[in-house]
Amino acid sequence: TQLLEQSPQFLSIQEGENLTVYCNSSSVFSSLQWYRQEPGEGPVLLVTVVTGGEVKKLKRLTFQFGDARKDSSLHITAAQPGDTGLYLCAGARGGSNYKLTFGKGTLLTVNP
Amino acid sequence: GAVVSQHPSWVICKSGTSVKIECRSLDFQATTMFWYRQFPKQSLMLMATSNEGSKATYEQGVEKDKFLINHASLTLSTLTVTSAHPEDSSFYICSARDTGGFGYTFGSGTRLTVV
Repeated sequence: TQLLEQSPQFLSIQEGENLTVYCNSSSVFSSLQWYRQEPGEGPVLLVTVVTGGEVKKLKRLTFQFGDARKDSSLHITAAQPGDTGLYLCAGARGGSNYKLTFGKGTLLTVNP
Repeated sequence: GAVVSQHPSWVICKSGTSVKIECRSLDFQATTMFWYRQFPKQSLMLMATSNEGSKATYEQGVEKDKFLINHASLTLSTLTVTSAHPEDSSFYICSARDTGGFGYTFGSGTRLTVV
């Protein structure tokens, strides 16, 4: 059972375009994290959101956590080729050793 | 920031042999570490949760006798792939949870190729 639905799975856009990646669940998470991963490397944490309704900005990236803490979105403004990579959302729930539940990932390609 | 060192970064082994992968938290103590497997262009699949000083908790479908996990100290967890076969070839990633907050730090991964 995929507890965290991430969409789209693949996205290919031109440099300068905007995009949004969504992460949805029927479960409540104590925190939700976004990672970016490049081939052959481990995921690198971009942001952790904890509070329902929270919005965090990281340069051209805007992260939002839903009011009910069940969903999140990542918006990239004016995408650049350097943004290319696999974006992963992951939710954590208290208990169960705080293990992360990962979405299927979004493979983003930004073409120059 | 927190750093997790994973070693080796890649390994090639013969079918039937065993391979050990190490995961170390360099500047923090990790009572819990996690081991993942990842196929090309896919997300991470949790294999097991490793707790310091106790037996690992394996996810459904993961053979505990095949993938031996030892978490002997607060900074080191190891994954041993026993009697490796070509179908075990994959990218294995560990992560450690910083008990001080919500942070999870990932290692850089190990590319295992079984020939």
